[in-house]
Amino acid sequence: ETGVTQTPRHLVMGMTNKKSLKCEQHLGHNAMYWYKQSAKKPLELMFVYSLEERVENNSVPSRFSPECPNSSHLFLHLHTLQPEDSALYLCASSHGDRTSYEKLFFGSGTQLSVL
Amino acid sequence: AQSVTQPDIHITVSEGASLELRCNYSYGATPYLFWYVQSPGQGLQLLLKYFSGDTLVQGIKGFEAEFKRSQSSFNLRKPSVHWSDAAEYFCAVAVPYNQGGKLIFGQGTELSVKP
Repeated sequence: ETGVTQTPRHLVMGMTNKKSLKCEQHLGHNAMYWYKQSAKKPLELMFVYSLEERVENNSVPSRFSPECPNSSHLFLHLHTLQPEDSALYLCASSHGDRTSYEKLFFGSGTQLSVL
Repeated sequence: AQSVTQPDIHITVSEGASLELRCNYSYGATPYLFWYVQSPGQGLQLLLKYFSGDTLVQGIKGFEAEFKRSQSSFNLRKPSVHWSDAAEYFCAVAVPYNQGGKLIFGQGTELSVKP
């Protein structure tokens, strides 16, 4: 248990559905991240929030919409996804006044399948 | 541009044998280097990190890694592998925030352990 909890663990959705992924951390961190992990590809950084403010968006399609209501919670809202969006979505958190890459704590991920 | 290469996609070793996983990076200045491990169905866990100083760093679970600037490498080693070490291993390089701030992962090396 790393202190970062993601729900749900598995999600199957159709291309017209709207769903949300949730991430919660109780480590007192103030930076949170969404990563996408596709098979046999490097992890792709999607979004970074520091002190609840989005500081990085790596050209992610608008069908992915993040939300960070407070320093402990991070959401990823999904709508009209494509089959190629099927992947493991990992949430992470870290210390730092700004985004700190010194040590990331990862959740177990949400395995998403888009039909 | 910064990048990380893990030349071996899959490695199989016998239990009790030694292990070395290769990692090469591309970055102009002295990088922050990391090794993470991902067990099946889990998020990533930090094994060890190198920021500066002694080029041989010790991590958790009996792992160590050596930073070799001349070879742009940060190979992970373990003298005697246990069956529980079977997992996927990711090397990563962090660019300091004041120089752009990113954590870049390699594509991973999957380790299988034979009895």
